[in-house]
Amino acid sequence: NAGVTQTPKFQVLKTGQSMTLQCAQDMNHEYMSWYRQDPGMGLRLIHYSVGAGITDQGEVPNGYNVSRSTTEDFPLRLLSAAPSQTSVYFCASSYQGVLAGESYEQYFGPGTRLTVT
Amino acid sequence: AQSVAQPEDQVNVAEGNPLTVKCTYSVSGNPYLFWYVQYPNRGLQFLLKYITGDNLVKGSYGFEAEFNKSQTSFHLKKPSALVSDSALYFCAACRATGTASKLTFGTGTRLQVTL
Repeated sequence: NAGVTQTPKFQVLKTGQSMTLQCAQDMNHEYMSWYRQDPGMGLRLIHYSVGAGITDQGEVPNGYNVSRSTTEDFPLRLLSAAPSQTSVYFCASSYQGVLAGESYEQYFGPGTRLTVT
Repeated sequence: AQSVAQPEDQVNVAEGNPLTVKCTYSVSGNPYLFWYVQYPNRGLQFLLKYITGDNLVKGSYGFEAEFNKSQTSFHLKKPSALVSDSALYFCAACRATGTASKLTFGTGTRLQVTL
């Protein structure tokens, strides 16, 4: 049971390049999300998914795309990298997000440190 | 819009002393509240949560948190700090609704425990 895995661990991009950050979980969680972590700003939600084929925007979605073709995988695509996207990116998963009367903590991956020059 | 405030960037405490990391929230309706810990170069790890019931919630590694609805606070506490507790702590909140909700995180508090 690997939990939540993310690749790559580190990445350097030039402005304008595109890339995909990979995220996979083996816990059969329905809910998956992408956050970015910046100094002094905590974690901010980029996109999230409540199940295969369903995605929605979070707090800071601009410049990022996601898709959810399987329960296990939730890749994050940077369409045209900008220096403002330099950050640490975390993927997380949980059983069903947060539902009335229930709540499931999120399990986080180890993160991808992205630098855009 | 919901928000979470962690007023202290850093908390310093001597090993063996009690520690408190403060958190206040603004959520419409009933909140779900969480504490996470992050060690260097690692992802976040779940510590504890408040959903309903007792205001004092116990979690991993001897940590506990007290939900105070009137003060909209959810402070993290531990009776006796360890050097190994040194890490970055995040409080998070969301609204308890009938559909999947989104967590809002505070900016984090760095806990430094010294001998």
